Amino acid sequence: TQLLEQSPQFLSIQEGENLTVYCNSSSVFSSLQWYRQEPGEGPVLLVTVVTGGEVKKLKRLTFQFGDARKDSSLHITAAQPGDTGLYLCAAKFPDFNKFYFGSGTKLNVKP
Amino acid sequence: GAGVSQTPSNKVTEKGKYVELRCDPISGHTALYWYRQSLGQGPEFLIYFQGTGAADDSGLPNDRFFAVRPEGSVSTLKIQRTERGDSAVYLCASSLISADTQYFGPGTRLTVL
Repeated sequence: TQLLEQSPQFLSIQEGENLTVYCNSSSVFSSLQWYRQEPGEGPVLLVTVVTGGEVKKLKRLTFQFGDARKDSSLHITAAQPGDTGLYLCAAKFPDFNKFYFGSGTKLNVKP
Repeated sequence: GAGVSQTPSNKVTEKGKYVELRCDPISGHTALYWYRQSLGQGPEFLIYFQGTGAADDSGLPNDRFFAVRPEGSVSTLKIQRTERGDSAVYLCASSLISADTQYFGPGTRLTVL
């Protein structure tokens, strides 16, 4: 059973465009993390959100945690080739002391 | 300071062989996690150590997989009688305490021929 659904699976855009990727579940999260992973490397944590409705910004990246804590989105403004990578969400559910990862969105930003 | 390191970076083995994958966590981190990542997928939880003990091994797929952390630092993931389906990148992560920020190593790419 896939606890987390990420969409889209693949995204190829031109430099300068905006994009949004999504992470959804049928269950409530205790907390949710977004990671970025480059080929041959492990995932690197971008942000952790814990409060429903929370919005966090990291330069051109905006992370939103849904009010019901069942979904999250990552919005990138004016994407750059350096943003290319696999974006993963990972959720912690109540009563489980571990994170479950989605299958990721593979982003390619063309110069 | 040094991050999480994993050795070897690549391991090619034949079906039926035994392999050991090593993880050196960040010094002082008490929690250590093993994940498996197949092509096109996100990391899949295998096992989590708090200190020397396995706090949760519910992700180990079967009894061919075993992991140890005898001194609460370095951990070894052991796979017996490897199968082609075991081919994946095995990731290790550590955190200062459990459920804290996880820092991942670069992974070991295991290929079973």
